[in-house]
Amino acid sequence: QSVLTQPPSVSGAPGQRVTIFCTGISSNIGAGYDVHWYQQLPGTAPKLLIYGNNNRPSGVPDRFSGSKSGASASLAISGLQAEDEADYYCQSYDTSLTARVFGGGTKLTVL
Amino acid sequence: QVQLHEPGPALVEPSETLSLTCSVSGHSISSDYYWGWIRQPPGKGLEWIGYVYHSGSTRYNPSLKSRVTISVDTSKNQFSLHLSSVTAADAAVYYCARDRVDYYMDVWGKGTRVTVS
Repeated sequence: QSVLTQPPSVSGAPGQRVTIFCTGISSNIGAGYDVHWYQQLPGTAPKLLIYGNNNRPSGVPDRFSGSKSGASASLAISGLQAEDEADYYCQSYDTSLTARVFGGGTKLTVL
Repeated sequence: QVQLHEPGPALVEPSETLSLTCSVSGHSISSDYYWGWIRQPPGKGLEWIGYVYHSGSTRYNPSLKSRVTISVDTSKNQFSLHLSSVTAADAAVYYCARDRVDYYMDVWGKGTRVTVS
């Protein structure tokens, strides 16, 4: 069982906007630690998508955005494209575990 | 441009020690980053294993701490993972990654599939 909670799956039609939520507790996201997001395309390694709650690395389209509030965070993807179909993972730091922790991952299906 | 290279697929017998080495190119391993390992069992999510700093200091996931050692060889610009007493539950794709002081991994290797049999 993962420390951070994500929905197993979400879906949307091309052009639509979807949001993936990530819920933590007082020892991780709720303690003020940043949330980061990774995209894992089928058969490939994870790729950093959002860091520090809402920052995009160079090359990541501005269709991807992140936010954080309290002990939760979210990743929004607007203008869905077929190439966005992937698994998405949130990640933070847990001060009780003294470890980086991940969500269980959310599979995005583009209908 | 920093790149991380893991070895090809590995086969380890139960109760033996898994050893993997990650080679870093395009960047000095002695810079101000951590160098870490993450694994992903088949069909499952990501699990952080731990990291090493160029000084040799380490931090491990408490769930694996008793079996894990991560070491660094600055002369070869490499770092290594050793996981002892492996079982079928340790079968996974193992990724090496550059780990930042602000708690995230910004560069990943392509991953190595480890089979325990």
